[in-house]
Amino acid sequence: DIVMTQSPDSLAVSLGERATINCKSSQSVLDSSNSKNNLTWYQQKPGQPPKLLIHWATTRESGVPDRFSGSGSGTDFTLTISSLQAEDVAIYYCQQYYSSPWTFGQGTKVEIK
Amino acid sequence: EVQLVESGGDLVQPGRPLRLSCVASGFSFGDYGMHWVRQAPGKGLEWVSTISWNSGTVDYADSVKGRFTISRDNARNSLYLHMNNLREEDTALYYCVRDRGFRGTALVADFWGQGSLVTVSS
Repeated sequence: DIVMTQSPDSLAVSLGERATINCKSSQSVLDSSNSKNNLTWYQQKPGQPPKLLIHWATTRESGVPDRFSGSGSGTDFTLTISSLQAEDVAIYYCQQYYSSPWTFGQGTKVEIK
Repeated sequence: EVQLVESGGDLVQPGRPLRLSCVASGFSFGDYGMHWVRQAPGKGLEWVSTISWNSGTVDYADSVKGRFTISRDNARNSLYLHMNNLREEDTALYYCVRDRGFRGTALVADFWGQGSLVTVSS
């Protein structure tokens, strides 16, 4: 199984500042057939189901603000919120879809400082 | 508008069975792979099971293999999770999830239901 490890477990960022969340996979999730990384990022606000933010490690879903960006390749990935807004308070999860079982990181809680 | 509505969650004793249902609307259900993902209270997300658009492929997490069965009825736009021999560690909110890819089965969950709560306790 591919183990996904996120860091930090939580972070507090001032409004308007940058938030950076890291995700590391225990093996590469790069699909050599298309040179794409099989990695997604989800946002889960309290009391709500998760929401898909990014897939292919860098592709934002329609309607997701451009302050959210994904980067990385192979085993190391980052979700960046360029200018934190109050509505971004949530838990963020990375997840690999390279091979079954599909596995999630443990989550990173983002709060306002 | 895509909607996924789960039902069937309940308080059950260990060892008992339960069936979850999910009714889909707002998209061509028969063209999409579907998944169940669960979340224990205060915990993270755990993939449970996947079924392809035509039921030709099914897959399970090791933690539920042999106890849970996923199925679907495309004529009724419905997804099911039959759960047998429930354990206390199966206690969770179970989400019905659509796969983003047309006829895909690799978990990229673009739409989620609100979840159905299963509590296993004596």
